[in-house]
Amino acid sequence: ETGVTQSPTHLIKTRGQQVTLRCSSQSGHNTVSWYQQALGQGPQFIFQYYREEENGRGNFPPRFSGLQFPNYSSELNVNALELDDSALYLCASSYDQGANTGELFFGEGSRLTVL
Amino acid sequence: DQQVKQNSPSLSVQEGRISILNCDYTNSMFDYFLWYKKYPAEGPTFLISISSIKDKNEDGRFTVFLNKSAKHLSLHIVPSQPGDSAVYFCAGTYSGAGSYQLTFGKGTKLSVIP
Repeated sequence: ETGVTQSPTHLIKTRGQQVTLRCSSQSGHNTVSWYQQALGQGPQFIFQYYREEENGRGNFPPRFSGLQFPNYSSELNVNALELDDSALYLCASSYDQGANTGELFFGEGSRLTVL
Repeated sequence: DQQVKQNSPSLSVQEGRISILNCDYTNSMFDYFLWYKKYPAEGPTFLISISSIKDKNEDGRFTVFLNKSAKHLSLHIVPSQPGDSAVYFCAGTYSGAGSYQLTFGKGTKLSVIP
């Protein structure tokens, strides 16, 4: 059973650029969530994808967008990068968005630095 | 508005003693709470959870207590081991969200001293 994998692990961008982060969910999981963890903060919910549809979104602007593919892998896209977007981006997978055990399986994250 | 608060950024405990990590929440809609542990350069890993219909849940050395009237929960680790040294996050969620929208606290860094 493979776990959640994310790529790239580290990347540096400049303000105004666009970035795409990728996530492969754990085998058997059909739901992917994305979280942003700024330095010294807890993870903050960005959005969740279930069966290729966004079914929950946190307090993030529209320049944060995502996709989920038929194999349940996912992408997080951020346009017009700002300095405050510098953070660790965590992908988490789970089975069935409505099961409400809340147990998520996280990847190691993608560390984004915006200069 | 911080809906989940972990007011102790760090905690040091001697090996073999009890570690108590505290968490307060303000959102009355939360009906499920979780603790995650995070080592450096790794993603958070699920530790233990509790439903709001219970006041205690135990799993080996880990016990979570929930006091709904005080909107307070705590994680007890007994006995503490050096491998428990990590950042611990408390999180709340509610079934009406229809998604795994966890609200995390800022975390408490636990150091277990051999």
